[in-house]
Amino acid sequence: NAGVTQTPKFRVLKTGQSMTLLCAQDMNHEYMYWYRQDPGMGLRLIHYSVGEGTTAKGEVPDGYNVSRLKKQNFLLGLESAAPSQTSVYFCASSPPGTGGSPLHFGNGTRLTVT
Amino acid sequence: AQSVTQPDIHITVSEGASLELRCNYSYGATPYLFWYVQSPGQGLQLLLKYFSGDTLVQGIKGFEAEFKRSQSSFNLRKPSVHWSDAAEYFCAVGALLTGNQFYFGTGTSLTVIP
Repeated sequence: NAGVTQTPKFRVLKTGQSMTLLCAQDMNHEYMYWYRQDPGMGLRLIHYSVGEGTTAKGEVPDGYNVSRLKKQNFLLGLESAAPSQTSVYFCASSPPGTGGSPLHFGNGTRLTVT
Repeated sequence: AQSVTQPDIHITVSEGASLELRCNYSYGATPYLFWYVQSPGQGLQLLLKYFSGDTLVQGIKGFEAEFKRSQSSFNLRKPSVHWSDAAEYFCAVGALLTGNQFYFGTGTSLTVIP
């Protein structure tokens, strides 16, 4: 059972470079999310999607873009990386709901921006 | 404003001892409440959830949590800790917002001493 798969697992970027993080889920979930995890700050929602072709901003969307062209995939892009974007990024998915459907998480991508 | 507080950043217990991790929330209505566990290098895994009904809920790995409305708390407990329980624990509140959004606490890191 793959669940939620994130690629790559690790990445180092230089300031100003761009990259795309890939997330794939095989549970046929409608909703998908990108979080970032920083020490002492817990998880903060970057963007989320409630269905194919839809995206919405979360708590900390600046500097990131997302796309959900296929139901099973949710891409997170950094157009011009900054050191403040050094973090661990988690993708998650869930069935539809309003706060009641548990999230299923990938194993994370550790991104370092120098 | 809605929020989740985990007052203890780090807790150390001896193997076989009991454990209680604290979680307090601020929310206007009866929330959906969750506890997740994160092992090193892994994503978050759902331990248990509370929606309604019995205020004592059982989860996986021998964990339980008790919802106390009067104290706005949802503390996680385990009678006897095992070395494999060493991990980061997150409390979360499901917000009644579009997109099944959650508010996460900042986490409690658990160290287990042999």
